[in-house]
Amino acid sequence: DAGVIQSPRHEVTEMGQEVTLRCKPISGHDYLFWYRQTMMRGLELLIYFNNNVPIDDSGMPEDRFSAKMPNASFSTLKIQPSEPRDSAVYFCASTGQGTGELFFGEGSRLTVL
Amino acid sequence: EDQVTQSPEALRLQEGESSSLNCSYTVSGLRGLFWYRQDPGKGPEFLFTLYSAGEEKEKERLKATLTKKESFLHITAPKPEDSATYLCAVQGSGGGADGLTFGKGTHLIIQP
Repeated sequence: DAGVIQSPRHEVTEMGQEVTLRCKPISGHDYLFWYRQTMMRGLELLIYFNNNVPIDDSGMPEDRFSAKMPNASFSTLKIQPSEPRDSAVYFCASTGQGTGELFFGEGSRLTVL
Repeated sequence: EDQVTQSPEALRLQEGESSSLNCSYTVSGLRGLFWYRQDPGKGPEFLFTLYSAGEEKEKERLKATLTKKESFLHITAPKPEDSATYLCAVQGSGGGADGLTFGKGTHLIIQP
């Protein structure tokens, strides 16, 4: 199995630009999670989906962040406009049946200048 | 709000020197406590799930234990390849609770 696939692996952009991060979950998994990791705050849950429906987006920091899951094999996390404080590693993870055994992608490292 | 606190933040051991990592938690209705391993530049990798106080799980040189307030990850006779950041997480039973709440991790270095 290919595992969870994220792209891009690295993104460097300037403040004010739009950023789109992409995720392909493991086939058959019905839960998809977006996490953000920083040294200061650790891993923070941003939003998660069940069967392509957003269930809890209370972790999304502000309206500049949005996430979609148009089908079972694809999700995006968009930041518009981006700010330097958004710099972090963004992880996508998937699992089946709501278990806590999450399968993480290798992350997208975002740097906003 | 679920909370997870891990200690120490960093730990340096000699190869073969056993030790324990601590995870203290508060959660409304524990559905599970999880340990993950994270290598530099990689996503976290699942190690163990514990569901109730008194439960123990083992894998090679690692053993995880659980009480009502904390969990320990015991590392016996570690090797340099055990060097990584170890993350603890909880899953509660509150609304929208399928997501895990993670601690900040313990960065473990095993010196040859």
